Amino acid sequence: AQSVAQPEDQVNVAEGNPLTVKCTYSVSGNPYLFWYVQYPNRGLQFLLKYITGDNLVKGSYGFEAEFNKSQTSFHLKKPSALVSDSALYFCAVRDSRGREYGNKLVFGAGTILRVKS
Amino acid sequence: SAVISQKPSRDICQRGTSLTIQCQVDSQVTMMFWYRQQPGQSLTLIATANQGSEATYESGFVIDKFPISRPNLTFSTLTVSNMSPEDSSIYLCSVEAGYSGNTIYFGEGSWLTVV
Repeated sequence: AQSVAQPEDQVNVAEGNPLTVKCTYSVSGNPYLFWYVQYPNRGLQFLLKYITGDNLVKGSYGFEAEFNKSQTSFHLKKPSALVSDSALYFCAVRDSRGREYGNKLVFGAGTILRVKS
Repeated sequence: SAVISQKPSRDICQRGTSLTIQCQVDSQVTMMFWYRQQPGQSLTLIATANQGSEATYESGFVIDKFPISRPNLTFSTLTVSNMSPEDSSIYLCSVEAGYSGNTIYFGEGSWLTVV
C-alpha cells in the first residue's frame, strides 16, 4: 500500500525568500505524485504532478517540484514566496500500475505554509 | 479541468438524521471518488463511486453508513446516515477523466456540522 510523509506540520518563510515543503513517499509500483493546495474554507486545488519524464515539474502559481527516485522524495519549491501562498499543502501519491493494485490517491498529513511580510 | 459542483456547500445537521450530498460534473468522467476530511486532518478516501453498480468502499467505511449512487458519468451522491458529531467533516467529491492525465480534481467540498 502507498503512503506519504510530510515531516513538517508548518513551514514559516519570509516573503521573497525561497520556500520548500518536504514530501517523501512509499509505493510498490512506480509513483504518480501530486501536490494540492487548500486555502482557508476552500476545497483542494491541483498544483502540479509528476507522472514520468523530467524530474523537475512546474505547476501553477510559480511552484515546482523535484522528483528524486533514490530518495523517494517530491519536495515542493518556489523561488520567491508570496504572502498569498499561505495555505495548507498536501502531497499525494498513486500507484501507476492501475486499479487492480489499488491506485487510489493517498494523501500526506499536510503542511501549513505561512509566509510573513 | 472538470468543473465540479457540490451541494450543499455547508449544512448544520441534527444528530440521528441523514443528509445527501450531490456532486455534478460538467463533463463525463471515468472515475468519481468521495473523500472525507475531518477537522484539522488530511483526506481519507471513503469510496469509489462506480457507474451503474455498487460503490467500492475503503476499509472502515460501510454502505449502510455512507450509501453512494452514481447513475451516470456526470453525477453522484453520498449520503451520510444516522449522523453523530463525529461525522462533522468536509466531504469532497473528486473526479478523474480520461483527458486529465491521471490527475484527480476536487470539488469545493460540503462542510457538515452535526449538533
